[in-house]
Amino acid sequence: EVQMLESGGGLVQPGGSLRLSCAASGFTFSSHAMSWVRQAPGKGLEWVSSISGSGANTYSADSVKGRFSISRDNSKSTVFLQMNSLIAEDTAVYYCAKRVSGTNSPTDYWGQGTLVTVSS
Amino acid sequence: QTVVTQEPSFSVSPGGTVTLTCGLTSGSVSITYYPSWYQQTPGQAPRTLIYNTNTRSSGVPDRFSGSILGNKAALTITGAQADDESDYYCVLYMGSGIWVFGGGTKLTVL
Repeated sequence: EVQMLESGGGLVQPGGSLRLSCAASGFTFSSHAMSWVRQAPGKGLEWVSSISGSGANTYSADSVKGRFSISRDNSKSTVFLQMNSLIAEDTAVYYCAKRVSGTNSPTDYWGQGTLVTVSS
Repeated sequence: QTVVTQEPSFSVSPGGTVTLTCGLTSGSVSITYYPSWYQQTPGQAPRTLIYNTNTRSSGVPDRFSGSILGNKAALTITGAQADDESDYYCVLYMGSGIWVFGGGTKLTVL
């Protein structure tokens, strides 16, 4: 059974940093691109960032470019999202998502999400 | 900047058929955008329904189907049930690793 378990969310002050983790199981992790998708309270879904199976290629939305970085550790089947210079608009539930194959392939499985709140 | 468009809300009667659409403010949606559809109920993670235009995700009943209708991607629900009342999101691939979600459609079954 495919599972993704996010962790690392919490309350952080504006300008602060946070690192999210997503531990995956039930599939050959290194064969699949992974993504982070977020959802602000009461709002729709927003794609944040993707990483290829090898980790060699990464892509990010303009709204987070230069502040967030995605990485992965295939030996631990874990993907990370390092979030720096956080602003109030980054407050959201962050979902980890598995892609069918590469970064240009769709998402088929989702984690349950972790809440990030940016507030003083 | 191209925006992905969805109907903000839609209503369907139990047992009825409804088609939700996913378009672009500039241009037409085609299979090269790899349109996907997700269902989300309040407080829950999204669930993948359809990807690559018309491929049903594992466990999704065949009353959910995807297609291209005219210049938009479409999600059709046949024989709507009460538990289909959810938010539905589409996403399109814009190239260079970039995906853009539509604003979502709130479907009411009544």
